[in-house]
Amino acid sequence: QTVVTQEPSFSVSPGGTVTLTCGLSSGSVSTSYYPSWYQQTPGQAPRTLIYSTNTRSSGVPDRFSGSFLGNKAALTITGAQADDESDYYCVLYMHSGVVFGGGTKLTVL
Amino acid sequence: QVQLQESGPGLVKPSQTLSLTCTVSGGSISSGGYYWSWIRQHPGKGLEWIGYMYYSGRTYYNPSLKSRVSISVDTSKNQFSLKLSSVTAADTAVYYCGGYGGNSGAFDIWGQGTMVTVSS
Repeated sequence: QTVVTQEPSFSVSPGGTVTLTCGLSSGSVSTSYYPSWYQQTPGQAPRTLIYSTNTRSSGVPDRFSGSFLGNKAALTITGAQADDESDYYCVLYMHSGVVFGGGTKLTVL
Repeated sequence: QVQLQESGPGLVKPSQTLSLTCTVSGGSISSGGYYWSWIRQHPGKGLEWIGYMYYSGRTYYNPSLKSRVSISVDTSKNQFSLKLSSVTAADTAVYYCGGYGGNSGAFDIWGQGTMVTVSS
């Protein structure tokens, strides 16, 4: 089964920029995988941030952006704020369903 | 705006079948556009896609759960349901229902989640 890879953890300073990635155990991520990104804080349902690689969901601040970085999808947070400290998940679409990445725990300190 | 709400038992005995329902409000489940989904999250762990179903009946399941999972839609009640058979403690998790947009290619809608514990 396809494994979607994410960095287990990352840290960023307040006001700094961080890029999280979403890759495949085999092959490259492309637009045909419709990469999407979600933010989750403890005890809450996930919140959709980005879909179709780089489209922000309604109400998502423009400091969140999606792109590709090499052969991976990427989520960049520019000007990180304290309340960006969360778990971030990517999802890739496969023709047989979808697969979640393992998630990245982002610390802002 | 479409909203989702999960309901069902919070405690299930081992070997029994876990049954959850997701009620769709603010829109029709049969209007198309969404794959009605179930996702779960084991305590302290990441999100895991269980499966989804289009209102027309086409279903897709996580291969690791496929032998035990069934998702169905009841258009008359504007609900969709999850059944997971032969549960064990490893199925203890928060279960979310969601809507995966066919156009967006993303989970556009999320329920608040419901905790299900498998224990005797």
